[in-house]
Amino acid sequence: DAGVIQSPRHEVTEMGQEVTLRCKPISGHDYLFWYRQTMMRGLELLIYFNNNVPIDDSGMPEDRFSAKMPNASFSTLKIQPSEPRDSAVYFCASSLGGMTSATQYFGPGTRLLVL
Amino acid sequence: QKEVEQDPGPLSVPEGAIVSLNCTYSNSAFQYFMWYRQYSRKGPELLMYTYSSGNKEDGRFTAQVDKSSKYISLFIRDSQPSDSATYLCAMSANDYKLSFGAGTTVTVRA
Repeated sequence: DAGVIQSPRHEVTEMGQEVTLRCKPISGHDYLFWYRQTMMRGLELLIYFNNNVPIDDSGMPEDRFSAKMPNASFSTLKIQPSEPRDSAVYFCASSLGGMTSATQYFGPGTRLLVL
Repeated sequence: QKEVEQDPGPLSVPEGAIVSLNCTYSNSAFQYFMWYRQYSRKGPELLMYTYSSGNKEDGRFTAQVDKSSKYISLFIRDSQPSDSATYLCAMSANDYKLSFGAGTTVTVRA
């Protein structure tokens, strides 16, 4: 199994630009999560989906952030316009609902730097 | 006050020592307790998973949960340099939202 795949692995952009992060969950997993990790705030849940439907987006910091999951094998997190304070590592994770629902498998992350 | 408190360390121990990590929490609804290990520039990986109170052992790793005290622990026996990483505690109520601790950075000296 290839695990959770994220792209790009690194992104450097200028303030005001649109940023799109991509995620392919583990095949068969029905939950997908987007996290952000910074030194100051640690690992924070932004949004999660179940069967492609957004369930809880209360962690999305502002309207500049949006996430979609058009099908079971693909999700995007978009920041428009980007700001320097959005610089962080963004992780995507997936899990299989049921008894081990809390067992989440993380991707390698996308390191975002907004100048 | 944060929902999950974890001492960020850093913690440095000699090879072969026992590493002791812990977290406290305030939300009494938490029932699922996990420990994740994160190597530098990598994503977190699940290390231990415990439901409700009790102990769980897996090789050199032992996880303990004391819900009455809202306190969880992870012990690493016979620590190895390859155990050097950041260890994050995480917990959840009956949904899928995980609340993470800040992570403790551990270095095992050869």
